[in-house]
Amino acid sequence: DTAVSQTPKYLVTQMGNDKSIKCEQNLGHDTMYWYKQDSKKFLKIMFSYNNKELIINETVPNRFSPKSPDKAHLNLHINSLELGDSAVYFCASSQGASGYNEQFFGPGTRLTVL
Amino acid sequence: GNSVTQMEGPVTLSEEAFLTINCTYTATGYPSLFWYVQYPGEGLQLLLKATKADDKGSNKGFEATYRKETTSFHLEKGSVQVSDSAVYFCALSDAGNNRKLIWGLGTSLAVNP
Repeated sequence: DTAVSQTPKYLVTQMGNDKSIKCEQNLGHDTMYWYKQDSKKFLKIMFSYNNKELIINETVPNRFSPKSPDKAHLNLHINSLELGDSAVYFCASSQGASGYNEQFFGPGTRLTVL
Repeated sequence: GNSVTQMEGPVTLSEEAFLTINCTYTATGYPSLFWYVQYPGEGLQLLLKATKADDKGSNKGFEATYRKETTSFHLEKGSVQVSDSAVYFCALSDAGNNRKLIWGLGTSLAVNP
């Protein structure tokens, strides 16, 4: 059974479009994250939710809007896509909001903006 | 601020060679330290961790010791396999804001048969 799943796996779109990425975890965790990984593998935290409450909101353009309808789901909506948004986006989850807790990652969504 | 510095890759080794990937950190307080691994086309997964000075984390033949005196957490494996080819990330829990990890830039390892 997949622990952290993301859809879609690949997303190719034009500049200016709006797109969403969905994430679900079946681990019973209370904390979920969105990360962005660029082409050089640099990993950057974007957002984190604990029990549906936003607890980490890094310096991210406000075109990016996360939504957590419940503890098991965290979605990422991106408006007005730009070339620089091309990256792999990873969802992760953990039990507890502390950085001490192991994070479980999804397989990633590769976003290509043309 | 807190930070993690990893040796730059890519690292290329032959099968059965000894591996060291250096990681040093700057932190206030007493962070926990982690190594995560990312296999090609996959998400990251925890490889090992250590929560206090002199702790040794180990998993799948990999080891790392939390050295407070040298602020280091170097990853080692005595004999690498082709299947170890991956990107390895060192990370620390941010004691100032313990809700997030501070990540290194990642070190790519390629093991040739």
